[in-house]
Amino acid sequence: GAGVSQSPSNKVTEKGKDVELRCDPISGHTALYWYRQSLGQGLEFLIYFQGNSAPDKSGLPSDRFSAERTGGSVSTLTIQRTQQEDSAVYLCASSFMPQGSGNTIYFGEGSWLTVV
Amino acid sequence: GIQVEQSPPDLILQEGANSTLRCNFSDSVNNLQWFHQNPWGQLINLFYIPSGTKQNGRLSATTVATERYSLLYISSSQTTDSGVYFCAVERKETSGSRLTFGEGTQLTVNP
Repeated sequence: GAGVSQSPSNKVTEKGKDVELRCDPISGHTALYWYRQSLGQGLEFLIYFQGNSAPDKSGLPSDRFSAERTGGSVSTLTIQRTQQEDSAVYLCASSFMPQGSGNTIYFGEGSWLTVV
Repeated sequence: GIQVEQSPPDLILQEGANSTLRCNFSDSVNNLQWFHQNPWGQLINLFYIPSGTKQNGRLSATTVATERYSLLYISSSQTTDSGVYFCAVERKETSGSRLTFGEGTQLTVNP
């Protein structure tokens, strides 16, 4: 697609429910990133994919969070047993190559998650 | 981990004014980027600038890697420049896996 596409754009869920957030990166981009942004805060790194593998998942805040990427393309971030502190905007980004090589990183518009 | 501090946290300008935003970081980096987040939340990459100076229209950026800071200059500001400006860095020891973001500078440009 033309840009990084995320769905749903907005999600309200009850505490304790599971949610899945989807990211469709720019076609041909090998690197994919998930970040989280709480209200009025900077971005917090969650996980990085190179192809289908996740060499760095150290930012996942707890074992309730998991992510996968299939076919070197679409990625799904799953939050199990959601808590109110999980409320945030979840941003996906992709780049042609890993960031260290200076390739521009493109962000999606985010999935706004509210846990009530 | 690496620390990224941005200043000022908030800035209010009249249209046409110039401004300088600062980013200090606590360790050697091989990657530094500036982003603009518009009022609707969309993040746009402005500069990839681990060292040196770059210019793009009314925006320019300078990074002095040896002194661990970067500056973003906005000249002749316009209302569309409003939003949050983030600096993000990656440590030299890592390899493309993550950017650490500062808390951002909230810029408001009034007509």
